[in-house]
Amino acid sequence: GQNIDQPTEMTATEGAIVQINCTYQTSGFNGLFWYQQHAGEAPTFLSYNVLDGLEEKGRFSSFLSRSKGYSYLLLKELQMKDSASYLCAVLDSNYQLIWGAGTKLIIKP
Amino acid sequence: GAVVSQHPSRVICKSGTSVKIECRSLDFQATTMFWYRQFPKQSLMLMATSNEGSKATYEQGVEKDKFLINHASLTLSTLTVTSAHPEDSSFYICSARRTGNSFYEQYFGPGTRLTVT
Repeated sequence: GQNIDQPTEMTATEGAIVQINCTYQTSGFNGLFWYQQHAGEAPTFLSYNVLDGLEEKGRFSSFLSRSKGYSYLLLKELQMKDSASYLCAVLDSNYQLIWGAGTKLIIKP
Repeated sequence: GAVVSQHPSRVICKSGTSVKIECRSLDFQATTMFWYRQFPKQSLMLMATSNEGSKATYEQGVEKDKFLINHASLTLSTLTVTSAHPEDSSFYICSARRTGNSFYEQYFGPGTRLTVT
């Protein structure tokens, strides 16, 4: 079966750095996405990785290792508004998005 | 940018009635639209994939006669929840894939909160 694992919840301090991990086992791989979802709202696109390595975009970076079936989202200089759920999703061989359950990130002052 | 709208944003209906949710791509054409359902503290669950001008493809376990999907144009898809029951109460989100672009260009609507009493 297809499976995406990410921690259920993480807590971090404002101004700090946090890394949210995602491991996956899917039938085929056509890229991995990270989305941010605030409570009661739809997900918003953060990043897309299809090749191994680190993609940096402002305070957010995303890393992918296809051989390990592993990705992480790195958030720097945390702000209170970063409190949200972060969803990892993999585009499988049928170009369908397989979603992780999401990681709820709590930022404390 | 690419904007997807949903209407209504919130709806409360009585058990046994039907509810229609609209999903529109406002500034681009979407050959494919997706309908998701999300229960509290759970991830997105794909319900169906909707292609313009053809029948929707439903995921396993999703009743096609209960969740009617129509994708009549390149900018509009509708989801009708028929004979709604309290267990259908959920957050329904659509997304649209821009025609002709890479597969990762999928844009989400703001969601519709359905409460069935």
